[in-house]
Amino acid sequence: DGGITQSPKYLFRKEGQNVTLSCEQNLNHDAMYWYRQDPGQGLRLIYYSQIVNDFQKGDIAEGYSVSREKKESFPLTVTSAQKNPTAFYLCASSWEGRTGELFFGEGSRLTVL
Amino acid sequence: GQQLNQSPQSMFIQEGEDVSMNCTSSSIFNTWLWYKQEPGEGPVLLIALYKAGELTSNGRLTAQFGITRKDSFLNISASIPSDVGIYFCAGRMNSGGSNYKLTFGKGTLLTVNP
Repeated sequence: DGGITQSPKYLFRKEGQNVTLSCEQNLNHDAMYWYRQDPGQGLRLIYYSQIVNDFQKGDIAEGYSVSREKKESFPLTVTSAQKNPTAFYLCASSWEGRTGELFFGEGSRLTVL
Repeated sequence: GQQLNQSPQSMFIQEGEDVSMNCTSSSIFNTWLWYKQEPGEGPVLLIALYKAGELTSNGRLTAQFGITRKDSFLNISASIPSDVGIYFCAGRMNSGGSNYKLTFGKGTLLTVNP
């Protein structure tokens, strides 16, 4: 079955530690995205990638980093510079011509202790 | 940046009732989308609207792209318990890099009492 797989689903981190969230898709989509969701809030775009080896900052990129070395993979690193990292993180992908029609993964919930 | 005002924030209804929710914006969008999110899951696309005035149905769901391009609504008819979830509207500008950027509303939490 085609889809997007995020891991881990739950992650705990101590303050000052970097953590990397995995996102893999087998939909053959060119574009991939990372969103952050906080309780009672809409989704906010962290980074997006239109093509391999290229990515762009979204609205809240500070304290985050990404890479896009393979079409299928778009990992997100939450660095110690992110002041409030506890959140639900969602990875998504889309066809190039339908960039509003996002396919989301099941999300990763990060809690900083 | 753009903001979407989604209302109502939450709804508590009886099974069988119809539901209506809407989104408004101070900016013009060229695409409107509606997503549903169930607890602990990622959102799922329900309906995509690409043309001002467009009215599109997906089963018991109907959504419209406002003529001014600054609003959209979603109706659910004859609600059932599995309609429970958070419904998000999203708008897209369709120009340059903003092709890839959606602006999301804060969501409408729907609870259906059997």
